[in-house]
Amino acid sequence: EDQVTQSPEALRLQEGESSSLNCSYTVSGLRGLFWYRQDPGKGPEFLFTLYSAGEEKEKERLKATLTKKESFLHITAPKPEDSATYLCAVRTVYNQGGKLIFGQGTELSVKP
Amino acid sequence: GAGVSQTPSNKVTEKGKYVELRCDPISGHTALYWYRQSLGQGPEFLIYFQGTGAADDSGLPNDRFFAVRPEGSVSTLKIQRTERGDSAVYLCASSSGPGTTNEQFFGPGTRLTVL
Repeated sequence: EDQVTQSPEALRLQEGESSSLNCSYTVSGLRGLFWYRQDPGKGPEFLFTLYSAGEEKEKERLKATLTKKESFLHITAPKPEDSATYLCAVRTVYNQGGKLIFGQGTELSVKP
Repeated sequence: GAGVSQTPSNKVTEKGKYVELRCDPISGHTALYWYRQSLGQGPEFLIYFQGTGAADDSGLPNDRFFAVRPEGSVSTLKIQRTERGDSAVYLCASSSGPGTTNEQFFGPGTRLTVL
């Protein structure tokens, strides 16, 4: 069964304290790994798509990396406005046009 | 441009009632998705439309749930004989096509509460 697991469930950081969020996946053929940000009461906001092991993408203080088993979302010198829930999702070879399978999310809180 | 919009933003109903949730996708997007998100969980896939047809409805939990997209744009998710376990945020997303490289853009969701 295709599965996505994120850790930790919650992470509290001080402003400027860099860290990483983990997304482990077990799927029958990966066709894309997606990172989203979700603020309370809002829908997920697209951040990155990664397609193959070794690929990296960056946006401001965020960098996403991908291996054959997991993805990391690195947050460098976070600010309070980075506080949100970060969701990881995968698309598989059997659902290339369709559904995303999501992890449960990591709730990040950055204190000033 | 306008993003995905969903109405109502909140819906409170009683057990056993019928509800309809509406989604307006981004203009020109041919693919439309419905997900359900419970508190503290990630979104869970329900159904995917390509144009007017349901290309994948494997996530619908039972036959009380039904969705339509008659003109290939607006979609309505319909829930019959609602149960308390149906309480969740229902999210709609759209993309420019079904291809692997097409990101899904989400609406703000409809929070459904079944009393």
